Amino acid sequence: GAGVSQSPSNKVTEKGKDVELRCDPISGHTALYWYRQRLGQGLEFLIYFQGNSAPDKSGLPSDRFSAERTGESVSTLTIQRTQQEDSAVYLCASSLAVRQLPQHFGDGTRLSIL
Amino acid sequence: DAKTTQPPSMDCAEGRAANLPCNHSTISGNEYVYWYRQIHSQGPQYIIHGLKNNETNEMASLIITEDRKSSTLILPHATLRDTAVYYCIVPFNSGNTPLVFGKGTRLSVIA
Repeated sequence: GAGVSQSPSNKVTEKGKDVELRCDPISGHTALYWYRQRLGQGLEFLIYFQGNSAPDKSGLPSDRFSAERTGESVSTLTIQRTQQEDSAVYLCASSLAVRQLPQHFGDGTRLSIL
Repeated sequence: DAKTTQPPSMDCAEGRAANLPCNHSTISGNEYVYWYRQIHSQGPQYIIHGLKNNETNEMASLIITEDRKSSTLILPHATLRDTAVYYCIVPFNSGNTPLVFGKGTRLSVIA
């Protein structure tokens, strides 16, 4: 069946540019999560959505990062004025509800900042 | 999340069973044990979860000790495609956000 889909799979951009990463969760999943994974490191939680609302944005690394979700479906993670330390794989996951497991992950967007 | 301890790496011959241990001695009575794996260049993949009883699905079996302080993930016939990092996770209250992935066990399946 259809899993979590992320696009683009790879993104290379110059420092200072804005980027937008997209996540299509599994249909019917009301909870959606964004994580970041730097090369050789573990997963770093960024933000989650319950429906279209993000109750806690404190995990976002800086005010250059923002995320939104519409229609309890697609979510976009936007990074403004990218920096080299933003280079990482950005992973999206979804689950039926916020306190329900398992979370199912997409294959991520590999972001490289030159 | 309850702390889990896994060996950093293991090798397994192709076609043999891979047995991956996990210690979770601080687990509480209503917390589940979840297993994920991450194959190179892919996102984490859910494998299996359990509370008390042993569980089996098309991917693996999960054996949980009677005192629930440890568990073993069993891949009955490992293939080269099972080479990955395997994570044992005990989410607080079985669903709290976010999932916390430790360092896991790097399983290498050898031909």
